[in-house]
This record gives sequence, C-alpha cells and structure tokens, in this order.
Amino acid sequence: EVQLLESGGGLVQPGGSLRLSCAASGFSFSSYAMSWVRQAPGKGLEWVSAFSGSGDSTYYAESVKGRFTISRDNSKSTLYLQLNSLRAEDTAIYYCAKVSPLTMVRGEFDYWGRGTLVAVSS
Amino acid sequence: DIQMTQSPSTLSASVGDRVTITCRASQSIRSWLAWYQQKPGKAPKLLIYKATTLQSGVPSRFSGSGSGTEFTLTISSLQPDDFATYYCQQYDSYSCSFGQGTKVESK
Repeated sequence: EVQLLESGGGLVQPGGSLRLSCAASGFSFSSYAMSWVRQAPGKGLEWVSAFSGSGDSTYYAESVKGRFTISRDNSKSTLYLQLNSLRAEDTAIYYCAKVSPLTMVRGEFDYWGRGTLVAVSS
Repeated sequence: DIQMTQSPSTLSASVGDRVTITCRASQSIRSWLAWYQQKPGKAPKLLIYKATTLQSGVPSRFSGSGSGTEFTLTISSLQPDDFATYYCQQYDSYSCSFGQGTKVESK
C-alpha cells in the first residue's frame, strides 16, 4: 500500500524557515517524480515544486522560486521542501504527491499525503 | 503559464442528477488533464487522467471528455458521496496548474 506522510509544519514568523519532510512507502520511490502542492485555508490547490525520479531535475512555481528548495533522499524514500523567507501568503496545508507515470516528471498525482500545516504569522 | 478556468464555481444539484463541470485552458494542453475530488479536511483524490481515462477504483458514473482547451467532467447520476469540490489540473507543462475548483452542493 502506497503511503505518504508529511511532517515538519508549524507556526513560524515572517522571514523564518521550515523544512518539510514526506516519508514514502509502498512503491519504488526512486523511480517516480514527486511534487509538493499547497492549499491556503479555504482556497484552491496550488502546485509548488517537483523533483524528477532518478534524475536531478527540479521545478518551481514562480511564487516560490528562489525561496523554496525541493530535494529528495532516495535511500530514505523521503522528499523534502526547505521553506525560507516565509511570507503570510505561504500559509497553507502542504501536500506531497506522487506523480503517476513511471519516470515522467509531468503527470497526474495518483497518491497524496494528508498534508502538514504551515502557518506564517507574527 | 497556463491558466485553468472552471465553471461553474458552485453547482447545486440533487441525488440522481446529471452533473457537468467545465474546465478551459488558456492554451492547448492536448489531453494532459486530470480531475480530482476533494472533501473537507481530506487530500484530493484522482478521478480521471489523460482527459478521459478513469482511475482504478473510481465509479463508472464519472467520465471525462475533451481535448485541446476545453474539457468536461460528468457525473451521470449524482450520489450522496459525490458532494465535494472538484478540481481540474493541466500537466502539459512542467509547471502544472489547477482550476479554481467547483463545489457541488446539495440543492
């Protein structure tokens, strides 16, 4: 059974940093691209970042480029998102999601974690 | 960036109704479109991918159609479990994007 478990969220002041983790199990983690998607309270879904499976290609939404860094440790089957220079508008539930097509970066998300809440406030 | 526009934003319907949601892309995305269902407090669930392919385990009352810039999600006979918010997603570009969502509520 595929499982994705996010952690690392919390309350942080504007300008602060957080590191989110997503522990994956039940599939060959290194073979699949992974993404982070966020959802502000009461709002829609916003794609944040993606990391290719076996390669080292990364992609970011313009709204987070230069502030967030995605990474992965295939030996630990874990995806990370480093959030720096946080703003109030970054407040959201952050989901990690598995890209369905094997080895492709672009694709639908067939599994999602439960999410971790990041709240940016003074 | 490719913009995705869903309509309507809210839809009031009754059990047994046929429901159709539209998603339009700002440029052609070929058939690289997915539909998700999200219930309050839960993660989104994949319903349809590549515009028309039903995800394993999803009831056959859900169907998708379209290509290029215009797409539809149809629920042939709305069931009580289907009251939720639905999102389309394009993945033609590396920067994928979602529609703003359509909330299906009880009439």
